[in-house]
Amino acid sequence: GESVGLHLPTLSVQEGDNSIINCAYSNSASDYFIWYKQESGKGPQFIIDIRSNMDKRQGQRVTVLLNKTVKHLSLQIAATQPGDSAVYFCAESGTSYGKLTFGQGTILTVHP
Amino acid sequence: DAGITQSPRHKVTETGTPVTLRCHQTENHRYMYWYRQDPGHGLRLIHYSYGVKDTDKGEVSDGYSVSRSKTEDFLLTLESATSSQTSVYFCAIRTNRGSSYEQYFGPGTRLTVT
Repeated sequence: GESVGLHLPTLSVQEGDNSIINCAYSNSASDYFIWYKQESGKGPQFIIDIRSNMDKRQGQRVTVLLNKTVKHLSLQIAATQPGDSAVYFCAESGTSYGKLTFGQGTILTVHP
Repeated sequence: DAGITQSPRHKVTETGTPVTLRCHQTENHRYMYWYRQDPGHGLRLIHYSYGVKDTDKGEVSDGYSVSRSKTEDFLLTLESATSSQTSVYFCAIRTNRGSSYEQYFGPGTRLTVT
C-alpha cells in the first residue's frame, strides 16, 4: 500500500539548536498527519497533528509544516533539549477509521 | 497514557503455541488498534476495531485474529505462533475529539517466539 517515509534516519544536534525532521508521503488522498515521539522501551507519544487543509501548526516548542504540492511533512523542534532525544515517526491517515500508516522513524540525538 | 494497559508486558513462547495479548482501556473509546513494531520498520497495523464485535484487517493481518466482546477489551490472538511474529506489539485507542484522529498508545508487549 501507500507508505510514508523519512529522508534522514539519524539526526544529531547540540542542545539549544533547532531540529528539523523531515517526512515524505506518497498517498495524495491522506488528509491527516501526526508526529509521534518514541523513547526506548515505551509506546509512541503523540506530539502534534495537522489536517490537510492547513500548511502549518504550532505547539509548545514544536511546529509541523505540510507541503501538499510536494507531499512533504516536517517537524521543527525549537531549542532542542537532551530530553528530546528519541525516535520520531510521522504517520498519515486517509480514512474515517483513523488507520495510520507510519514512516520508518528518525533517531534524534541531542548532545549537551 | 489514556488509560491503556497491555498484558502481558513480556512473553516468551514456542513456535506453534497459541498466544493471546490483551489490551484494556478505561475511557470508553470506540476505536482500538493493534500494531506491531519491528527493527527497521515503523509501526504496522494488524487489526482494528470500530466497536464491540466490529473488527477489520490491517496491513499485516495474516496469522492474527482479534476479538472485542466489550468496549474496554481488545484481544489479539496468534493461533499458532511463528518466529516471524517475534515483535513488540502496541495497542492504541483513538480519542473522540470531533474529526481528530489522535491515537494514544499503550506501553507495548514484547513477544519472543522461539
